[in-house]
Order: sequence, then C-alpha cells, then structure tokens
Amino acid sequence: DTGVSQDPRHKITKRGQNVTFRCDPISEHNRLYWYRQTLGQGPEFLTYFQNEAQLEKSRLLSDRFSAERPKGSFSTLEIQRTEQGDSAMYLCASSFWTGNPNYGYTFGSGTRLTVV
Amino acid sequence: AQSVTQPDIHITVSEGASLELRCNYSYGATPYLFWYVQSPGQGLQLLLKYFSGDTLVQGIKGFEAEFKRSQSSFNLRKPSVHWSDAAEYFCAVGAPNTNAGKSTFGDGTTLTVKP
Repeated sequence: DTGVSQDPRHKITKRGQNVTFRCDPISEHNRLYWYRQTLGQGPEFLTYFQNEAQLEKSRLLSDRFSAERPKGSFSTLEIQRTEQGDSAMYLCASSFWTGNPNYGYTFGSGTRLTVV
Repeated sequence: AQSVTQPDIHITVSEGASLELRCNYSYGATPYLFWYVQSPGQGLQLLLKYFSGDTLVQGIKGFEAEFKRSQSSFNLRKPSVHWSDAAEYFCAVGAPNTNAGKSTFGDGTTLTVKP
C-alpha cells in the first residue's frame, strides 16, 4: 500500500470555474476526512465519511462544496464557482475506525489550489 | 468547544540542542492529543499520540511529549535536534466522547535548525 494519494498535486483555476479533487485512501481504512489548510494555519476540518456515508460537514463547507465517496473507497471534493478565498491546500486523510479511539490519521500530500 | 494553542509561531535552535514545542488545549475532559510534523508542500505525518495511561509518550524520530492535566499542556520535546527536523509542527486534539474522530489543530510552530 502506498498510503493516501491525492490528485492533482497542484491546480490553478480562474475564479468562477469548477474544480474537482480526488483522494484515494489506504485500502483497509473505512474513514476518510477532508481538511483545508491556509497559509500560516493548521488544518481545518471540512467533512468526513465512514465507508460511503458522509457523517458530518463543517459549517465552513458552503453550498459550493460537495464531497462524495460513492463506493466507500476513493473520494472526490468538488468546488463550484471558485472564489479567491478558496485558495488553500486541501488535505485528505484516512483512518481505520472500529469504535476504539482515533489512532490518528494518515494524511495525503494534499492538493494546492490557487484561484486567480 | 475544543481548541489548541501553540504559543510559539517560530522557534530556532542549533543543531544538537534540545527542543521543546509548547501546546495548550482547551477541553472539558481528558482529550486525545496528537503531534504531527509537516515538511514544505507535504501532508502531515503523525509523530505521537496520547489517549490515557502513562503521561510521557514516546514517538517516532526520537520525539516525546508529556501530558500535564493541571496545565492543560502537551509539550513536544527532543533531546538533540537534527537539521532534518526543520519543519512545521502541529498539535491537535480529538474528542473521545464523540464518534467523529475529527481533530482540531493548532496553527503550528515552524522549527528552524541552525548548523
């Protein structure tokens, strides 16, 4: 297993365009998280899935953001009508949850989004 | 609501010197606590975690952290810093009495290592 993979690594888009990011978690991990990190700050929680079910969305996640994990494996994060304020690093993480404490995530390398 | 404060935005130490990075958390009970390291342009790597039991936790790369309930702190330490330790370090707290497993992160401390 090669860890958590995110694609693309970098994305430059014009304001108003739609973008989609993909995350492939570690195969045996049933939980998948999306975080957003802006310069000089720590990651902020956006949403998470357990298998294919989206169990929580942050209030940070406006209606322009949508995430899916259709078969409980990879996930996509789409941003519609991008704004300059969406420029950030989007991090995906996965973990194996069995009802025991959170053992910490395995993070991907992130997708750097720049909206111009 | 849970929160994490990392009081030092930037720390510079000489190679071979000891290191302590501070982390203070706010939470109503004993939380789950984590330290992560992030190299430029990369994701975060878990260094160590605390759930319960021994308050001194050993992690990877020679790091350790001590949980002090009375001070609401979880400071990260390393006895002798290597140039390769230069990176950004994040403290995070997770809430054990929720099922979500999501974490709240501090804003990080950037470590510079002088030769």
